Amino acid sequence: DADVTQTPRNRITKTGKRIMLECSQTKGHDRMYWYRQDPGLGLRLIYYSFDVKDINKGEISDGYSVSRQAQAKFSLSLESAIPNQTALYFCATSEGDRDRGYTFGSGTRLTVV
Amino acid sequence: AQKVTQAQTEISVVEKEDVTLDCVYETRDTTYYLFWYKQPPSGELVFLIRRNSFDEQNEISGRYSWNFQKSTSSFNFTITASQVVDSAVYFCALSGFSAGGTSYGKLTFGQGTILTVHP
Repeated sequence: DADVTQTPRNRITKTGKRIMLECSQTKGHDRMYWYRQDPGLGLRLIYYSFDVKDINKGEISDGYSVSRQAQAKFSLSLESAIPNQTALYFCATSEGDRDRGYTFGSGTRLTVV
Repeated sequence: AQKVTQAQTEISVVEKEDVTLDCVYETRDTTYYLFWYKQPPSGELVFLIRRNSFDEQNEISGRYSWNFQKSTSSFNFTITASQVVDSAVYFCALSGFSAGGTSYGKLTFGQGTILTVHP
């Protein structure tokens, strides 16, 4: 099984619908992140959480919300999806120790029509 | 705030050519880590290298090599004798770790460079 699992892998939804992207990890890492990838813009940080009680906005949080249900689970919600939220979404984890890397999920490709 | 700039949006080469992907970064953090990731057409992110700010030694791994120059805030990536399987999007990224710094532990990506290697 993958260390960081994202579900669903692909999703097509309609404008105005609420949708949740889920991320679970078996790394035992405290820190979790949601990134969005758009062509030519790289990956941009949406939200991050350094522990279960700590949630922080990233650079592009408008239109998104998150929930850290447990150390291993970090969900991203689009309350009312719009077409410009069509993108590839990545969840990532890292340890608190500075000398560790980041582990990424396989990504969720979301299309809003 | 931290920033990563990859000057080349797209690069096209013929197989066996050497190719260098440029990466320039900005950060106020005194300790930081630099990364390169590869994203093949399948979409997943493949980790290639992590380098900390105190280690300026260049690194070679097979056909891949990295040149870290703190004086010019650059962390360039060279593929020697490129192959078709090297075709992918490559991302440079930075994570700063100064105590109390606003970028603590967050990974900032460059825009990515699309590399196409033709047979």
